[in-house]
Amino acid sequence: DTAVSQTPKYLVTQMGNDKSIKCEQNLGHDTMYWYKQDSKKFLKIMFSYNNKELIINETVPNRFSPKSPDKAHLNLHINSLELGDSAVYFCASSLTSTVETQYFGPGTRLLVL
Amino acid sequence: EDQVTQSPEALRLQEGESSSLNCSYTVSGLRGLFWYRQDPGKGPEFLFTLYSAGEEKEKERLKATLTKKESFLHITAPKPEDSATYLCAVRRRDSNYQLIWGAGTKLIIKP
Repeated sequence: DTAVSQTPKYLVTQMGNDKSIKCEQNLGHDTMYWYKQDSKKFLKIMFSYNNKELIINETVPNRFSPKSPDKAHLNLHINSLELGDSAVYFCASSLTSTVETQYFGPGTRLLVL
Repeated sequence: EDQVTQSPEALRLQEGESSSLNCSYTVSGLRGLFWYRQDPGKGPEFLFTLYSAGEEKEKERLKATLTKKESFLHITAPKPEDSATYLCAVRRRDSNYQLIWGAGTKLIIKP
């Protein structure tokens, strides 16, 4: 059984388009995260939700909007895609916001042309 | 500014050749230090959490240690399947539960 799943795995799109990435966890965790991993392999937190409530909102362009319909799902919508948005986006979850062990999804490789 | 630096960037070893990876950190009040393993094309996989200087954790051929300024991931008699990128992350005591990540060390074990 997949613990944290993301779709799609690969996303190739043109500049200016709008796209969404979906994430689901079946671990029963309360907290979910979105990370961006750039070409230098640094992982940067973008957002975190705890029980559908936004608790971390880092300085990311407002073209990025997370949505959590329930605590098992956290989706990421990106408007007006730019070349610099090309990266690998990881979803992760943890039991609660104070439990540090995070479980990661397989990643979505986004390439903006 | 909080920072996590990992060294070396890449490490090539022969199978069975033991070595150590380093994670040095500057953070105001450490809440925890975490080691993850990342295989190509996959998400990071949790390995260890260390909370205080002097603490050690072991798992198979890996042992993580922690001082007040750095952590080491010792790998003993590695096998080719240990090849991966090893990531280190820290959490500040007063943070809003964010992790600050290093860039990782890419470990290659040759048979």
